[in-house]
Parts: sequence; C-alpha cells; structure tokens
Amino acid sequence: EAAVTQSPRNKVAVTGGKVTLSCNQTNNHNNMYWYRQDTGHGLRLIHYSYGAGSTEKGDIPDGYKASRPSQENFSLILELATPSQTSVYFCASGDSDSTEVFFGKGTRLTVV
Amino acid sequence: GDSVTQTEGQVALSEEDFLTIHCNYSASGYPALFWYVQYPGEGPQFLFRASRDKEKGSSRGFEATYDKGTTSFHLRKASVQESDSAVYYCALGNYAQGLTFGLGTRVSVFP
Repeated sequence: EAAVTQSPRNKVAVTGGKVTLSCNQTNNHNNMYWYRQDTGHGLRLIHYSYGAGSTEKGDIPDGYKASRPSQENFSLILELATPSQTSVYFCASGDSDSTEVFFGKGTRLTVV
Repeated sequence: GDSVTQTEGQVALSEEDFLTIHCNYSASGYPALFWYVQYPGEGPQFLFRASRDKEKGSSRGFEATYDKGTTSFHLRKASVQESDSAVYYCALGNYAQGLTFGLGTRVSVFP
C-alpha cells in the first residue's frame, strides 16, 4: 500500500531556530510536495520536487528551503523559524502513472 | 494564477440528506480536477478525479462532472451518513507541479 511517513508528528520550535521536517515515501513516486494547511487558507504548496536532487518553488516558498537527497526522502527546512510559520505541514507524493497524490498524516509545528 | 473556489465553508446535514458542494475553478489550459476528503488527524485522501469535459468522477457514492462551460466540478451525494462527516477539498492541477486546492468545506452529518 502506498505510504508517506512524516516525522516528527509534532514539533515546538523557538523563534529564530532551525527546523527540519522529514518525509519518506515508499511509493517509488518521482514527485514529492510540501504543503501547509491553515484555517482560512486551505492547503498551499510550498516546494515540490521532480526527483532526487531537484527542488522547485511552489506558491509560498519564502522562508522555506527543501532538500531531496533521494527518491524516497524530501525535507522541508526552516532556517530561521518565525511564529507565522506555525501551521500543519503535509508531505505528499505522486507521479503521472498513479491516479492520485498520496498525503502523509501531517506535522503540527508551533513556533514560540 | 490558477484558483479554486468552494462556495460553502460549512454544511450541516441530517443522515440521508442530499449533499452538494459547489466548486468553480479558474485556470489556463485544461486542468485535471480532483476531490479530496480529510478526516480529523489525517492527511487529505483522494476521492476521484476527472480530466476532460463532461467526464464524471465517482467514488463511495460521491460524484462530480467536469463542466468546462461553467468551469465547475460540483460534488454530490444522494444520501449522506454520519461517517461522511469530514472536510472536502476541490483541487486542480497536475502531478508535475502539484495541485491547487480550494479552502475546503466542512461537512457535519447528524444522526
């Protein structure tokens, strides 16, 4: 069964600190995505990747970096976390051969 | 840029009621359209998609028809159950560049 696993599931970070959110997929999908979910904004695309070594900016990339070291792993990096980045973050994977995009269960990040 | 508008932010229904969630889109080209459902504590789950005009997507009793003329993809279900309580998202896009989602519609079904 297709699986996308995110870690950690919950994280509290300090303003100005560095945060790394990790995502692993066992679907062998080429494409991976990072979204954030906020009340009043729905799901918004931060970064995405076509495969190992590639990262592309989504709709709201400011303040975020992404890293795709392998087909399976895709990280989201907040170099200097701010309270406005408090949100629920979802990783997903998909490709043209699958009929859907598979989402992980999310990471709840609180920046204090 | 591309956008998706869901008219209803919240819907409250009784079991066996008919559900309609309105979805309209704005996009260049001919995007694929999707419906996703999200339960508490979970990520969004794919319901179904449609890729061309007049194509109907369906799953679990839900259905929607791609209408290029009215740029719509309204979700319907004839008889809802309490287990259908969730947040529903309309989306458009492609796997290469990700999906653009609407704001979501919270559906609450009461016994």
